[in-house]
Amino acid sequence: SYELTQPLSVSVALGQTARITCGGNNIGSKNVQWYQQKPGQAPVLVIYRDMNRPPGIRERFSGSNSGNTATLTISRAQAGDEADYYCQVWDNSIVVFGGGTKLTVL
Amino acid sequence: QVQLVESGGGVVQPGRSLRLSCAASGFTFRSYGMYWVRQAPGKGLEWVALISYDESHKYYADSVKGRLTISRDNSKNTLYLQMNSLRAEDTAVYYCAKGGAVGYGADSSYGFEYWGQGTLVTVSS
Repeated sequence: SYELTQPLSVSVALGQTARITCGGNNIGSKNVQWYQQKPGQAPVLVIYRDMNRPPGIRERFSGSNSGNTATLTISRAQAGDEADYYCQVWDNSIVVFGGGTKLTVL
Repeated sequence: QVQLVESGGGVVQPGRSLRLSCAASGFTFRSYGMYWVRQAPGKGLEWVALISYDESHKYYADSVKGRLTISRDNSKNTLYLQMNSLRAEDTAVYYCAKGGAVGYGADSSYGFEYWGQGTLVTVSS
């Protein structure tokens, strides 16, 4: 079965740029989604199809995907960005989530 | 606006059954695939099952295959998850989510923009 690997945690200084990676075999050939989840809340889609933002998602959130790694980039990090982030792909009609990354804004 | 409201969660003993419901509104329910995703306490997201708009396609995570059954009633705009032979490891918040594309086969180009608030299932004796 297909697996997605994310770092357990990423830290970023306030106002700086955070990058969260998602590794998978030839993930560049798949569409990658990213979700933000804050404690006690449902996940929120922040990036779909590698780099597209749904309505209402700030331009500070961007994505890229190539080779074996997809990346979520959060520019000018704010305290409100502190959350868990999950990558997600489809693999032969099966939905796969990464293990999640806890983003801490210092 | 799109709304998804889960219900049916609760405390259940191991080996027993439970049925979750997800009431949908604000979109043409019969045109979209629907999904169940769960999250065990303190853990990450785990996809559980998907059903196509017309019930012709159903897929399950290996961890639930043969015990959990996804279904839908398009006349009632409602998604279901029948949970049988429950185990302690099924304890989780269960979310329903709406597929991103009309019809079947294109959800992989979108993602889950709409989720319910979740319903907690606790399997414990």
